[in-house]
Amino acid sequence: DSGVTQTPKHLITATGQRVTLRCSPRSGDLSVYWYQQSLDQGLQFLIQYYNGEERAKGNILERFSAQQFPDLHSELNLSSLELGDSALYFCASSAVAGGAGELFFGEGSRLTVL
Amino acid sequence: AQSVAQPEDQVNVAEGNPLTVKCTYSVSGNPYLFWYVQYPNRGLQFLLKYITGDNLVKGSYGFEAEFNKSQTSFHLKKPSALVSDSALYFCAVRDPTGGYNKLIFGAGTRLAVHP
Repeated sequence: DSGVTQTPKHLITATGQRVTLRCSPRSGDLSVYWYQQSLDQGLQFLIQYYNGEERAKGNILERFSAQQFPDLHSELNLSSLELGDSALYFCASSAVAGGAGELFFGEGSRLTVL
Repeated sequence: AQSVAQPEDQVNVAEGNPLTVKCTYSVSGNPYLFWYVQYPNRGLQFLLKYITGDNLVKGSYGFEAEFNKSQTSFHLKKPSALVSDSALYFCAVRDPTGGYNKLIFGAGTRLAVHP
């Protein structure tokens, strides 16, 4: 158990809909990262937050947004969903910024868009 | 741009034999390199990392990795494979440009260990 909790584990929805994925980082970790894993794109970095502030942005679509709350949990919002958004979405956390600490990953949220 | 290449989609090895999963990298500055493993329907689990020092890094579950600066490689190895090692393995490099500890992952290599 990595200590990173993601909900829901599975989600099935229709095109055009909006969903919210939730992540609770390991106790004490200030950084949260979101990754998308799909068969054709592999693991793609989406966005990173550190202590409530956005730190880095990757290949995140404009239809997607995220935030990190004061209690350090994070939410990834996906809107106007398309079939191609079906993927496994991972949240990861790491300890204090800097250095080369490893990321700890949650079990993922599997999104299926029909 | 920072990148990681895993040249093999799949590696097949017999149980008890040594295994190697290959990784090469491209990064500006000193590389911080990582290996992760993903079992079916699970998240990624950290195996080991190279930051500095000894080129041979030991990690979890008997895995080790060899850093080779001249060949820009960081191959994952294990002296004797187990069937339970069958999984998807990812090599990653830290992207030093912006953010903290953002990792860039390779495409992954599926390891199949046959009894």
